[in-house]
Amino acid sequence: AAGVIQSPRHLIKEKRETATLKCYPIPRHDTVYWYQQGPGQDPQFLISFYEKMQSDKGSIPDRFSAQQFSDYHSELNMSSLELGDSALYFCASSRLAAYEQYFGPGTRLTVT
Amino acid sequence: QKEVEQDPGPLSVPEGAIVSLNCTYSNSAFQYFMWYRQYSRKGPELLMYTYSSGNKEDGRFTAQVDKSSKYISLFIRDSQPSDSATYLCAMSGSSGYALNFGKGTSLLVTP
Repeated sequence: AAGVIQSPRHLIKEKRETATLKCYPIPRHDTVYWYQQGPGQDPQFLISFYEKMQSDKGSIPDRFSAQQFSDYHSELNMSSLELGDSALYFCASSRLAAYEQYFGPGTRLTVT
Repeated sequence: QKEVEQDPGPLSVPEGAIVSLNCTYSNSAFQYFMWYRQYSRKGPELLMYTYSSGNKEDGRFTAQVDKSSKYISLFIRDSQPSDSATYLCAMSGSSGYALNFGKGTSLLVTP
């Protein structure tokens, strides 16, 4: 079965640079969620989208923004990167009103 | 204080043992409960999900929810070395569908 696709899988950036992470949900899933998982931590919810509209917002820094496109893929844009942004970033997808979420393999971001 | 509490372990059991993993939560508005398995540096894999109190069984896995006690459990029968991973409980429903995770329990099944 098709799964959530995330790209790139690994990304190394320097402080103050920008990064863009991409997420392609499971076919026919219309809702996308972004989570951040720091080392040894549980995933923390950042933001979610349904039908290209932001549906929920968590602990996402103002330096980050995201959007969902007409093909339901989503991009997380991160600017003025800080060392503390180094983490695994997961995208998850679901069908609307379905509470179970399916996670992608993640993007490992390292900020040096 | 986290709304979802989970003992981080590590938990070490011999192959074939029954494993019991647990989470407690404080927000009575949570309605949906999930268990994820996460191997090192991989994405969480959905194992079980339920929205009601009671038991749900799938193969070697049984999920149990007790809303009156705000307590959920995952049982793994006939545990295998391949079950060695971190198990995360997650729940939602208090506001939207965003998941609130426990810290995860590290499980090691030894041959």
